[in-house]
Amino acid sequence: QKEVEQDPGPLSVPEGAIVSLNCTYSNSAFQYFMWYRQYSRKGPELLMYTYSSGNKEDGRFTAQVDKSSKYISLFIRDSQPSDSATYLCAMTKGGGIQGAQKLVFGQGTRLTINP
Amino acid sequence: GAVVSQHPSWVICKSGTSVKIECRSLDFQATTMFWYRQFPKQSLMLMATSNEGSKATYEQGVEKDKFLINHASLTLSTLTVTSAHPEDSSFYICSARFTYGYTFGSGTRLTVV
Repeated sequence: QKEVEQDPGPLSVPEGAIVSLNCTYSNSAFQYFMWYRQYSRKGPELLMYTYSSGNKEDGRFTAQVDKSSKYISLFIRDSQPSDSATYLCAMTKGGGIQGAQKLVFGQGTRLTINP
Repeated sequence: GAVVSQHPSWVICKSGTSVKIECRSLDFQATTMFWYRQFPKQSLMLMATSNEGSKATYEQGVEKDKFLINHASLTLSTLTVTSAHPEDSSFYICSARFTYGYTFGSGTRLTVV
Protein backbone atom coordinates (compact mmCIF):
# COMPACT_ATOMS: atom_id res chain seq x y z
CA GLN A 1 0.00 0.00 0.00
CA LYS A 2 1.31 3.43 -0.94
CA GLU A 3 1.78 5.99 1.82
CA VAL A 4 -0.25 8.53 -0.14
CA GLU A 5 -3.13 7.62 -2.43
CA GLN A 6 -4.54 9.98 -5.04
CA ASP A 7 -7.02 9.16 -7.77
CA PRO A 8 -5.12 9.76 -11.04
CA GLY A 9 -8.29 10.60 -12.94
CA PRO A 10 -8.51 11.93 -15.55
CA LEU A 11 -11.15 14.35 -14.31
CA SER A 12 -13.07 16.50 -16.77
CA VAL A 13 -15.52 19.21 -15.69
CA PRO A 14 -17.22 22.19 -17.34
CA GLU A 15 -15.97 25.70 -16.83
CA GLY A 16 -17.32 27.30 -13.66
CA ALA A 17 -17.78 24.01 -11.81
CA ILE A 18 -16.44 23.34 -8.35
CA VAL A 19 -13.63 20.81 -8.47
CA SER A 20 -12.81 18.51 -5.58
CA LEU A 21 -9.46 16.74 -5.46
CA ASN A 22 -8.58 14.31 -2.69
CA CYS A 23 -5.75 12.37 -1.15
CA THR A 24 -5.62 9.84 1.64
CA TYR A 25 -2.55 8.86 3.60
CA SER A 26 -1.63 6.09 5.94
CA ASN A 27 1.20 7.53 8.02
CA SER A 28 0.02 9.62 10.97
CA ALA A 29 3.52 11.14 11.21
CA PHE A 30 2.78 13.43 8.27
CA GLN A 31 2.38 16.98 9.59
CA TYR A 32 2.72 19.34 6.63
CA PHE A 33 0.46 19.15 3.60
CA MET A 34 0.78 20.80 0.21
CA TRP A 35 -1.02 20.99 -3.08
CA TYR A 36 0.81 21.64 -6.33
CA ARG A 37 -0.32 22.39 -9.85
CA GLN A 38 1.87 21.15 -12.67
CA TYR A 39 1.49 22.11 -16.29
CA SER A 40 2.97 19.88 -18.94
CA ARG A 41 6.77 20.14 -19.12
CA LYS A 42 6.94 22.56 -16.20
CA GLY A 43 7.94 22.29 -12.55
CA PRO A 44 5.22 21.98 -9.88
CA GLU A 45 3.77 25.26 -8.60
CA LEU A 46 2.84 25.49 -4.92
CA LEU A 47 -0.84 26.31 -4.45
CA MET A 48 -1.51 25.63 -0.79
CA TYR A 49 0.51 24.82 2.33
CA THR A 50 -1.15 23.73 5.55
CA TYR A 51 -0.12 22.06 8.76
CA SER A 52 -3.25 21.85 10.88
CA SER A 53 -6.64 20.24 10.53
CA GLY A 54 -9.30 22.51 9.12
CA ASN A 55 -9.76 24.72 6.09
CA LYS A 56 -7.45 27.25 4.50
CA GLU A 57 -8.64 29.51 1.73
CA ASP A 58 -6.67 31.43 -0.88
CA GLY A 59 -8.67 33.03 -3.65
CA ARG A 60 -10.53 30.32 -5.56
CA PHE A 61 -8.66 27.55 -3.74
CA THR A 62 -9.56 25.93 -0.43
CA ALA A 63 -7.41 23.28 1.21
CA GLN A 64 -8.96 21.00 3.78
CA VAL A 65 -7.10 18.71 6.16
CA ASP A 66 -8.66 16.06 8.38
CA LYS A 67 -5.87 14.44 10.34
CA SER A 68 -8.19 12.14 12.23
CA SER A 69 -9.34 10.58 8.96
CA LYS A 70 -5.95 11.01 7.24
CA TYR A 71 -7.63 12.80 4.38
CA ILE A 72 -6.86 16.04 2.55
CA SER A 73 -8.77 17.86 -0.14
CA LEU A 74 -8.36 20.76 -2.52
CA PHE A 75 -11.42 22.61 -3.77
CA ILE A 76 -11.30 24.89 -6.80
CA ARG A 77 -14.21 27.29 -7.19
CA ASP A 78 -15.27 28.89 -10.47
CA SER A 79 -12.91 26.65 -12.38
CA GLN A 80 -11.29 28.08 -15.51
CA PRO A 81 -9.79 26.40 -18.59
CA SER A 82 -6.42 27.70 -17.38
CA ASP A 83 -6.80 25.43 -14.33
CA SER A 84 -6.38 22.42 -16.62
CA ALA A 85 -3.26 20.71 -15.30
CA THR A 86 -2.09 17.86 -13.11
CA TYR A 87 -2.63 18.42 -9.39
CA LEU A 88 -0.31 16.76 -6.92
CA CYS A 89 -0.79 16.39 -3.20
CA ALA A 90 2.37 16.18 -1.14
CA MET A 91 3.15 15.78 2.52
CA THR A 92 6.10 15.54 4.84
CA LYS A 93 6.74 14.42 8.38
CA GLY A 94 8.26 17.63 9.54
CA GLY A 95 11.57 19.28 9.98
CA GLY A 96 12.21 22.95 9.55
CA ILE A 97 14.21 24.65 6.86
CA GLN A 98 17.47 23.38 8.35
CA GLY A 99 16.36 19.78 8.61
CA ALA A 100 14.01 19.60 5.64
CA GLN A 101 12.55 16.18 5.09
CA LYS A 102 11.55 14.73 1.77
CA LEU A 103 8.09 15.11 0.34
CA VAL A 104 5.88 12.14 -0.34
CA PHE A 105 3.66 12.70 -3.35
CA GLY A 106 0.36 11.36 -4.53
CA GLN A 107 0.16 10.05 -8.09
CA GLY A 108 -1.33 13.31 -9.36
CA THR A 109 -4.80 13.95 -10.81
CA ARG A 110 -5.08 15.13 -14.40
CA LEU A 111 -7.79 17.79 -14.55
CA THR A 112 -9.39 19.26 -17.66
CA ILE A 113 -11.75 22.24 -17.51
CA ASN A 114 -13.90 22.38 -20.62
CA PRO A 115 -14.96 25.82 -21.92
CA GLY B 1 9.37 35.05 -3.17
CA ALA B 2 11.08 31.66 -2.73
CA VAL B 3 12.15 31.19 -6.32
CA VAL B 4 14.43 28.45 -7.54
CA SER B 5 15.94 29.15 -10.94
CA GLN B 6 16.83 26.00 -12.91
CA HIS B 7 18.98 25.91 -16.05
CA PRO B 8 19.02 24.80 -18.73
CA SER B 9 15.33 24.24 -19.42
CA TRP B 10 16.16 21.72 -22.09
CA VAL B 11 19.31 20.08 -23.38
CA ILE B 12 20.19 17.55 -26.06
CA CYS B 13 23.48 15.72 -25.72
CA LYS B 14 25.28 12.85 -27.38
CA SER B 15 25.52 9.47 -25.72
CA GLY B 16 28.64 9.25 -23.53
CA THR B 17 28.89 12.93 -22.74
CA SER B 18 28.12 14.65 -19.43
CA VAL B 19 25.48 17.27 -18.73
CA LYS B 20 25.28 19.70 -15.80
CA ILE B 21 22.01 21.09 -14.47
CA GLU B 22 22.05 24.07 -12.11
CA CYS B 23 19.55 25.19 -9.52
CA ARG B 24 19.88 28.51 -7.76
CA SER B 25 17.73 29.83 -4.95
CA LEU B 26 17.24 33.50 -5.82
CA ASP B 27 15.75 35.03 -2.70
CA PHE B 28 16.33 32.57 0.11
CA GLN B 29 18.99 30.20 1.34
CA ALA B 30 18.46 26.60 0.33
CA THR B 31 20.11 24.53 3.03
CA THR B 32 18.67 21.37 1.49
CA MET B 33 18.02 20.72 -2.18
CA PHE B 34 16.04 17.78 -3.48
CA TRP B 35 16.54 16.36 -6.98
CA TYR B 36 13.72 14.55 -8.79
CA ARG B 37 13.24 12.71 -12.01
CA GLN B 38 9.85 12.55 -13.71
CA PHE B 39 8.70 10.26 -16.50
CA PRO B 40 5.74 11.19 -18.71
CA LYS B 41 2.39 11.02 -16.94
CA GLN B 42 4.00 9.91 -13.70
CA SER B 43 4.61 11.55 -10.38
CA LEU B 44 7.98 12.83 -9.24
CA MET B 45 10.60 10.30 -8.18
CA LEU B 46 13.10 11.51 -5.61
CA MET B 47 16.67 10.80 -6.69
CA ALA B 48 18.73 12.42 -3.97
CA THR B 49 18.86 14.95 -1.18
CA SER B 50 21.77 17.35 -0.90
CA ASN B 51 22.74 19.47 2.06
CA GLU B 52 25.03 22.44 1.72
CA GLY B 53 28.61 21.40 2.36
CA SER B 54 27.82 17.70 2.73
CA LYS B 55 27.67 14.65 0.51
CA ALA B 56 24.32 13.97 -1.06
CA THR B 57 22.08 11.16 0.12
CA TYR B 58 20.85 9.02 -2.75
CA GLU B 59 17.64 7.04 -2.88
CA GLN B 60 17.82 3.32 -3.31
CA GLY B 61 18.53 2.33 -6.88
CA VAL B 62 20.00 5.67 -7.94
CA GLU B 63 23.61 5.43 -9.15
CA LYS B 64 25.61 8.04 -7.27
CA ASP B 65 28.51 7.79 -9.72
CA LYS B 66 26.23 8.57 -12.64
CA PHE B 67 24.27 11.38 -11.00
CA LEU B 68 26.80 13.62 -9.28
CA ILE B 69 25.35 16.23 -6.99
CA ASN B 70 27.23 19.22 -5.63
CA HIS B 71 25.80 21.66 -3.11
CA ALA B 72 28.71 23.94 -2.46
CA SER B 73 26.78 27.01 -1.33
CA LEU B 74 23.46 27.92 0.21
CA THR B 75 22.21 29.21 -3.13
CA LEU B 76 23.55 26.75 -5.68
CA SER B 77 23.18 23.03 -6.22
CA THR B 78 24.15 21.15 -9.36
CA LEU B 79 23.31 17.75 -10.82
CA THR B 80 25.73 16.29 -13.35
CA VAL B 81 24.60 13.34 -15.42
CA THR B 82 27.85 11.60 -16.36
CA SER B 83 28.35 9.40 -19.40
CA ALA B 84 24.74 9.93 -20.35
CA HIS B 85 22.83 7.25 -22.24
CA PRO B 86 19.44 7.35 -23.95
CA GLU B 87 17.79 5.75 -20.92
CA ASP B 88 18.82 8.82 -18.89
CA SER B 89 16.52 10.94 -21.04
CA SER B 90 13.95 12.38 -18.69
CA PHE B 91 12.63 15.49 -16.97
CA TYR B 92 14.78 16.54 -13.99
CA ILE B 93 13.50 18.93 -11.33
CA CYS B 94 15.07 20.44 -8.22
CA SER B 95 13.26 21.59 -5.08
CA ALA B 96 14.09 23.38 -1.86
CA ARG B 97 12.36 24.01 1.44
CA PHE B 98 11.48 27.54 2.38
CA THR B 99 9.38 29.02 5.19
CA TYR B 100 6.01 28.24 3.64
CA GLY B 101 6.57 24.94 1.91
CA TYR B 102 8.73 23.55 -0.85
CA THR B 103 9.40 25.38 -4.08
CA PHE B 104 10.42 23.76 -7.34
CA GLY B 105 12.56 24.73 -10.28
CA SER B 106 11.02 24.85 -13.74
CA GLY B 107 12.62 21.57 -14.73
CA THR B 108 15.19 20.42 -17.30
CA ARG B 109 14.24 18.16 -20.17
CA LEU B 110 17.24 16.03 -21.04
CA THR B 111 17.37 14.14 -24.31
CA VAL B 112 20.33 11.85 -24.96
CA VAL B 113 20.85 10.86 -28.57
